[in-house]
Amino acid sequence: KAGVTQTPRYLIKTRGQQVTLSCSPISGHRSVSWYQQTPGQGLQFLFEYFSETQRNKGNFPGRFSGRQFSNSRSEMNVSTLELGDSALYLCASSLGGQGVTDTQYFGPGTRLTVL
Amino acid sequence: QQQVKQSPQSLIVQKGGISIINCAYENTAFDYFPWYQQFPGKGPALLIAIRPDVSEKKEGRFTISFNKSAKQFSLHIMDSQPGDSATYFCAASTGNQFYFGTGTSLTVIP
Repeated sequence: KAGVTQTPRYLIKTRGQQVTLSCSPISGHRSVSWYQQTPGQGLQFLFEYFSETQRNKGNFPGRFSGRQFSNSRSEMNVSTLELGDSALYLCASSLGGQGVTDTQYFGPGTRLTVL
Repeated sequence: QQQVKQSPQSLIVQKGGISIINCAYENTAFDYFPWYQQFPGKGPALLIAIRPDVSEKKEGRFTISFNKSAKQFSLHIMDSQPGDSATYFCAASTGNQFYFGTGTSLTVIP
């Protein structure tokens, strides 16, 4: 089975621009979660999508948004980029069944640099 | 507020030694406790995981010890090897929401 894939792997943007990151989960996985990873803050939870609906949300400003498509692929968008948004953005997928906590599998991440 | 507290931040161990990383949590609703290993430039990879109904789980050189009453769990790496040098994250989860520790950078010296 193919793992979680993320595109692009690297991005360089300037302040004020917007960016869209893409994640394809493992086949059969319906839950996709997004995380921001920085050296100082570790892994910070952004949001989780299941069956095209945002099911959980972390404490990030509204500039960070996401969506999930009917094939479980997910996109994350960051508008009005700030220097502090430079980070590794990780996507993780899981089966996502209700009432069951199962394993999350991570993609390789997208390295975003904001200049 | 950090839901999962991890220590130490960094660890240096001689080859063949035992590496121990500790995590603590407060939320008793957590029902799944995985450990992830991350190499530079890669995403975290699941190493081993435990549920609160057992006190210990062993897979090869990796062991999780779980103390439900103390709300603590730890990762033990036996016979540590230079290839184990990586960053390790503990996590705790309930209802598909995961909370991660801040990571431990492990260096195993040959």
